[in-house]
Amino acid sequence: GENVEQHPSTLSVQEGDSAVIKCTYSDSASNYFPWYKQELGKGPQLIIDIRSNVGEKKDQRIAVTLNKTAKHFSLHITETQPEDSAVYFCAASIGTGGFKTIFGAGTRLFVKA
Amino acid sequence: KAGVTQTPRYLIKTRGQQVTLSCSPISGHRSVSWYQQTPGQGLQFLFEYFSETQRNKGNFPGRFSGRQFSNSRSEMNVSTLELGDSALYLCASSLTTSGNNEQFFGPGTRLTVL
Repeated sequence: GENVEQHPSTLSVQEGDSAVIKCTYSDSASNYFPWYKQELGKGPQLIIDIRSNVGEKKDQRIAVTLNKTAKHFSLHITETQPEDSAVYFCAASIGTGGFKTIFGAGTRLFVKA
Repeated sequence: KAGVTQTPRYLIKTRGQQVTLSCSPISGHRSVSWYQQTPGQGLQFLFEYFSETQRNKGNFPGRFSGRQFSNSRSEMNVSTLELGDSALYLCASSLTTSGNNEQFFGPGTRLTVL
């Protein structure tokens, strides 16, 4: 069935360093790939998304890349700050026929000051 | 604009009972999706409602059901609760039912089954 694999499960970086989280999806019909940040006691919040007709998207310190051929997409956070510490989820969705978003297992990011 | 609200925030039930959770989407949003979040299984899709109709359903037993009202508010019900139903239940709303639109999540309802 549909599956999204996410690595690593835990990532610890020094403040100012970059963090990279990688995901692989199985359903070739997926065409929308959002990334969510979840802080303790809160619901996931969308931080960036990318659609299948785009290979890369950037928003300030956050960027996402997509390789449709390899079914890989990645999140890059540059100049990390302590407030970036949270759990990050990647997801894959098919853009028609309603929502059925498949989430990765999550990456717990620790940014050490 | 107010965000997605979920009530109650916390709930404790015992095995065999049933529970109803409520979700109010962002004003103007017509799609509401429900997810179950557990440490072991992560975020799993339960179902999606749009214009009072269930559009998609995940792989959960029939004990899990939902509905949507004409004002887009949604409820989900779990009958005959099991210990494994303990989880954070998240609701997300979106403007349309297209799967490539942004979803906005509520804070969740933490359900504990004893």
